[in-house]
Amino acid sequence: DTGVSQDPRHKITKRGQNVTFRCDPISEHNRLYWYRQTLGQGPEFLTYFQNEAQLEKSRLLSDRFSAERPKGSFSTLEIQRTEQGDSAMYLCASSLVGSGNQPQHFGDGTRLSIL
Amino acid sequence: SQQGEEDPQALSIQEGENATMNCSYKTSINNLQWYRQNSGRGLVHLILIRSNEREKHSGRLRVTLDTSKKSSSLLITASRAADTASYFCATDGGAGSGGYNKLIFGAGTRLAVHP
Repeated sequence: DTGVSQDPRHKITKRGQNVTFRCDPISEHNRLYWYRQTLGQGPEFLTYFQNEAQLEKSRLLSDRFSAERPKGSFSTLEIQRTEQGDSAMYLCASSLVGSGNQPQHFGDGTRLSIL
Repeated sequence: SQQGEEDPQALSIQEGENATMNCSYKTSINNLQWYRQNSGRGLVHLILIRSNEREKHSGRLRVTLDTSKKSSSLLITASRAADTASYFCATDGGAGSGGYNKLIFGAGTRLAVHP
């Protein structure tokens, strides 16, 4: 399968713990995005990378959140000192650089549950 | 907050019927995209329509775009039980609204197609 891969699919943790998610984009895609989706809502943009550069961060991305894409390939999203409100589906997407008219391809997400 | 709004929030139809979903947005766009999401899965890109296009077809899907009304519609013809999913429209934010890169989603339409 050459689609976007996310790991783990599910993560259950206690409040206050740190968690890290991984995203492997489609290999030739140099743009990578993280979104968060809560139940019954559409995804909300968190952050975006072009190659290894993090070019945009949403105000939703508090200082407890950090994302990296060290070699311009896979990316990690870390949440420190998790809170109940962090419970959500975290989606990763990738796309090609283009004129802006490029579809984003999504992984199946990591569902985070905070106890 | 979400830019787009889908209407209706939920739609229940019988197999063979057509399903129409509407989307409204607030700012200028470069393109508008429709995605499908099955329960617990990631989003699947369906169709992208550019701001200078008015209608686009893909198989049983027909998308229209009216930039003067800032609205779009997705028509699924001859629906099947396998079409049961949530459908989201997403805009790219356009120039002057954070760039072309991030997608801004509505809350989606939950479609149920009954055999």
